[in-house]
Amino acid sequence: DAKTTQPTSMDCAEGRAANLPCNHSTISGNEYVYWYRQIHSQGPQYIIHGLKNNETNEMASLIITEDRKSSTLILPHATLRDTAVYYCIVRAKAAGNKLTFGGGTRVLVKP
Amino acid sequence: NAGVTQTPKFQVLKTGQSMTLQCAQDMNHEYMSWYRQDPGMGLRLIHYSVGAGITDQGEVPNGYNVSRSTTEDFPLRLLSAAPSQTSVYFCASSYQASGSDEQFFGPGTRLTVL
Repeated sequence: DAKTTQPTSMDCAEGRAANLPCNHSTISGNEYVYWYRQIHSQGPQYIIHGLKNNETNEMASLIITEDRKSSTLILPHATLRDTAVYYCIVRAKAAGNKLTFGGGTRVLVKP
Repeated sequence: NAGVTQTPKFQVLKTGQSMTLQCAQDMNHEYMSWYRQDPGMGLRLIHYSVGAGITDQGEVPNGYNVSRSTTEDFPLRLLSAAPSQTSVYFCASSYQASGSDEQFFGPGTRLTVL
């Protein structure tokens, strides 16, 4: 699986959009970008995933650059409950279900 | 559905003791796995199973055994606990044995080995 690079931490104001970057310059053509988050002391929670096209669901939007070497997770209206560690994971579906977690980005949403 | 459940939530062991961490899911998922998370670190895969009767090793399997006799249950056994196994253990499951998009994680078991 391709390696990912994320900022260690970032702050966000409540009600504003949070933009979380992820670099995956060695991503292969068959690898998807997945985002999970882990709220303090809880198990990780799936957020969204994508291959090439931008994706949106009820939780977030995922913007993948045309060359697929980086992506951005967007939380449109951050709330205090969005304070968590966010993990960007690159994985090929054919490689099975193993998830390789890096250090993630610690997001603190402030009032 | 209860989702993925784990017991116990907390456990303290002495070095050399054995114990089993329980994991169950009621979603009829084929795939189940165990991760450990050390302080300030990401999760690391210990063992996984793609179906009843089938298990395989992950990134950090030493010191742990697993079995999958039913679709619902995937227990993790520590035969002789060591302080290095102090960690938070998470169980996860997904619908397909391979290629699943979403994995569901349990609440975790916090284990301390003295």
